[in-house]
Amino acid sequence: DGGITQSPKYLFRKEGQNVTLSCEQNLNHDAMYWYRQDPGQGLRLIYYSQIVNDFQKGDIAEGYSVSREKKESFPLTVTSAQKNPTAFYLCASSRTVRTGELFFGEGSRLTVL
Amino acid sequence: AQSVTQLGSHVSVSEGALVLLRCNYSSSVPPYLFWYVQYPNQGLQLLLKYTTGATLVKGINGFEAEFKKSETSFHLTKPSAHMSDAAEYFCAVSEEQGAQKLVFGQGTRLTINP
Repeated sequence: DGGITQSPKYLFRKEGQNVTLSCEQNLNHDAMYWYRQDPGQGLRLIYYSQIVNDFQKGDIAEGYSVSREKKESFPLTVTSAQKNPTAFYLCASSRTVRTGELFFGEGSRLTVL
Repeated sequence: AQSVTQLGSHVSVSEGALVLLRCNYSSSVPPYLFWYVQYPNQGLQLLLKYTTGATLVKGINGFEAEFKKSETSFHLTKPSAHMSDAAEYFCAVSEEQGAQKLVFGQGTRLTINP
C-alpha cells in the first residue's frame, strides 16, 4: 500500500541536542512538506520541497533544517536553536506543489526534557 | 492575507444527531477550501474539497460542505452522527492552487455522546 511513513513515532530529547525526524513516501509524489502542530493552533508550515534538491522555508522555519536528496525522503532536523521544540510534527506530500490535496503521515511527537 | 476561523474549539452532539462544524474564511480572491479530519495520534485525512464548480461538495463518510461566497463560509455537516466520527476537524483555505499556501484553522474537536 502507498503511503507516508514517519519515524520515530515518539522521541525524547535533552535540551541542546539536535534530532532528526524521518519521512519516507512511496506515492511517487513530487512535493513534500513538514508541519508543526500545537494544541489549539492548527498546523503551521515549517518547510516544503517541490522537487528533489529543492526546498523552501515555510512560516516557522527558524531552528529547523531539511534536505531532499531523494524523491522519497524528506528528513527534518530540529536543531538546538529551536526555542520551543516540543510538538507534534507531521510530514505530508502532494502529487505536485500545485495540487492542494495533502497526504499525511501519522506524525512524530517530540518531547524535550 | 487569507485566514480561517473555526467557530467552537469543541462541539458535542448525540449519536444520530446533526453535525455542524463552522468555518469562515477571509480571502481577497476566490478560494480553494478543504476539510481534513484527524483521529487521535494520527495524521490528517482529506474529507472534501472545493475548488470550482458546484458549491455543495460531498466528501467521505457522509460529510458534505457548502461554499457560500456571500457569507465567506464553508461549514461542514453530516445528517446523522456516528460514534466513529469523534475526531478533530480542520478547515483550510488557499488563495492559490498550491498546498504550500494552505492556511489551516485551529481545529474543532467533535465528541459524540451515546
